[in-house]
Amino acid sequence: AQTVTQSQPEMSVQEAETVTLSCTYDTSESDYYLFWYKQPPSRQMILVIRQEAYKQQNATENRFSVNFQKAAKSFSLKISDSQLGDAAMYFCAYRSRGGSEKLVFGKGTKLTVNP
Amino acid sequence: DGGITQSPKYLFRKEGQNVTLSCEQNLNHDAMYWYRQDPGQGLRLIYYSQIVNDFQKGDIAEGYSVSREKKESFPLTVTSAQKNPTAFYLCASSIANSQETQYFGPGTRLLVL
Repeated sequence: AQTVTQSQPEMSVQEAETVTLSCTYDTSESDYYLFWYKQPPSRQMILVIRQEAYKQQNATENRFSVNFQKAAKSFSLKISDSQLGDAAMYFCAYRSRGGSEKLVFGKGTKLTVNP
Repeated sequence: DGGITQSPKYLFRKEGQNVTLSCEQNLNHDAMYWYRQDPGQGLRLIYYSQIVNDFQKGDIAEGYSVSREKKESFPLTVTSAQKNPTAFYLCASSIANSQETQYFGPGTRLLVL
């Protein structure tokens, strides 16, 4: 079974600075998807960024980018120019290609943005 | 507007009572999912359905039941057999067999009286 580990329960960053959230995963599959979700205090899950395992190029979405290291099974999220609205829980998630297509989540990292 | 709705936002359960959480989507998605979130935990899969009239157990299905009579609807019943039901419940949907991700509803918080 696949597992996802987020080793940082909490992180903090100063407004306008850059922060990196870590995620590692364990799988024997070669083709899969990885995601970062944001959960603000409203508790709505919001997709931040997605990476297909077969793509070597790291995904980027505006101020959000990932560092995908397939051999190391690492998938970190970098937030540049942090804003107060970035404060939230961030969850890393894994999804197999095919099958149940369920998401396997890490336990999350709580990000605080200091003004 | 297309999206996923969950109701109620808050739900209270008495001992020995079954309660049903509603999940409706108008995204024309084939697949629907129920997740449970506990404090300090990520989301864990309860049940999922990839097609109408078919559903499968997830990782923590004990004490829960579902039905999928319509494409748009995937209600979750928390039975009296679920001894620790207090949690936040999230419903999601997606296009089956697609690279697209799952889209989530706003959630239901279930509390035990």
